[in-house]
Amino acid sequence: QQQVKQSPQSLIVQKGGISIINCAYENTAFDYFPWYQQFPGKGPALLIAIRPDVSEKKEGRFTISFNKSAKQFSLHIMDSQPGDSATYFCAASIRAAGNKLTFGGGTRVLVKP
Amino acid sequence: SQTIHQWPATLVQPVGSPLSLECTVEGTSNPNLYWYRQAAGRGLQLLFYSVGIGQISSEVPQNLSASRPQDRQFILSSKKLLLSDSGFYLCAWTPIAGRAGELFFGEGSRLTVL
Repeated sequence: QQQVKQSPQSLIVQKGGISIINCAYENTAFDYFPWYQQFPGKGPALLIAIRPDVSEKKEGRFTISFNKSAKQFSLHIMDSQPGDSATYFCAASIRAAGNKLTFGGGTRVLVKP
Repeated sequence: SQTIHQWPATLVQPVGSPLSLECTVEGTSNPNLYWYRQAAGRGLQLLFYSVGIGQISSEVPQNLSASRPQDRQFILSSKKLLLSDSGFYLCAWTPIAGRAGELFFGEGSRLTVL
């Protein structure tokens, strides 16, 4: 069974701190790893994504680190802001299999001012 | 620009009643369409996806069904709702030639079965 395991389930960080969310996957056929951000009552929106031939990708304050041998990847939110408070989902897909994403369980991040 | 609409936004239904959630996409042709369910405090589970009119693939055996009567319309249905059907239902689309893993989600439909 394809699975993506995400931790922690929830996270509280002070404004300006670093939020770190970790994900682990089992299926080595996965070749695309996006992160989605979801605000309460809204649908998720793509935040950042990485392919397994890259070990790190940075977009603004958001960075994905990817460890292919360990089958793990993580999201770092630098200089966390109250507006970053949301639920974050990691996901994985096989590009040749029609964009069917397998999602992690989600991490609820609360950034305190 | 492309937009996706889902309705109703909120629904409270008794056990055993039927269900119909609708999703439409505007501004694109022949999208891939998806239905996901998000249980409270949990991740998103893929229920159905469709690559064309009348073409539906089910990912999880369950009490629900999906149909795609038109190119940009995707409907999630049930003949008799169960308590376990409660959740947040999300429709999503992606262009066939789009970037892998980039789904565009609707605003969701929150279903409570009592």
